[in-house]
Amino acid sequence: GAGVSQSPSNKVTEKGKDVELRCDPISGHTALYWYRQSLGQGLEFLIYFQGNSAPDKSGLPSDRFSAERTGGSVSTLTIQRTQQEDSAVYLCASSPGGGQNYGYTFGSGTRLTVV
Amino acid sequence: SQQGEEDPQALSIQEGENATMNCSYKTSINNLQWYRQNSGRGLVHLILIRSNEREKHSGRLRVTLDTSKKSSSLLITASRAADTASYFCATPPGGSEKLVFGKGTKLTVNP
Repeated sequence: GAGVSQSPSNKVTEKGKDVELRCDPISGHTALYWYRQSLGQGLEFLIYFQGNSAPDKSGLPSDRFSAERTGGSVSTLTIQRTQQEDSAVYLCASSPGGGQNYGYTFGSGTRLTVV
Repeated sequence: SQQGEEDPQALSIQEGENATMNCSYKTSINNLQWYRQNSGRGLVHLILIRSNEREKHSGRLRVTLDTSKKSSSLLITASRAADTASYFCATPPGGSEKLVFGKGTKLTVNP
């Protein structure tokens, strides 16, 4: 597609349940990023994939969070045993390379609400 | 701690006026980027200015970068109601490939 696609747009889940968020990056973009944004706040980095390199997981807040990127394309962010503090907008972005040289193209995000 | 800090946190102006937002950062960078966000969803990349550039223009946008003061400014000229959004600066600190974003400036342009 022409842009970064995220699904679902909105997700309401019960505390303790697992959720999966999906990101389809722009075709050919080797770099993929996940961020989250709590209400009225800035963006918090979660994880970064670049080509076939090991991902930079330094932003994942706990071991309940994990992400994978299959075939260098689609990525899934999984949150296990969701907590109310996980409620946020989860944003995915892709770029032709890293942030040293390129801007990011963001998807529209997934708004996660944990009740 | 935040790499980039925008100032002011909020700005309200009348249509047709100019809007200026500032960003300060802490560590050395090789570029600084500005993004716009409408309605708390996806961000749109506006402009990238490299550390060896002092000024860059794109349409009604003018960005300056002062590496000696570790600061940047975004000027929107002849603002429109459609410019109402939050504006974020972002930098790749040091040699990092991941961008660190500030908390943003919320701009309201009143018709």
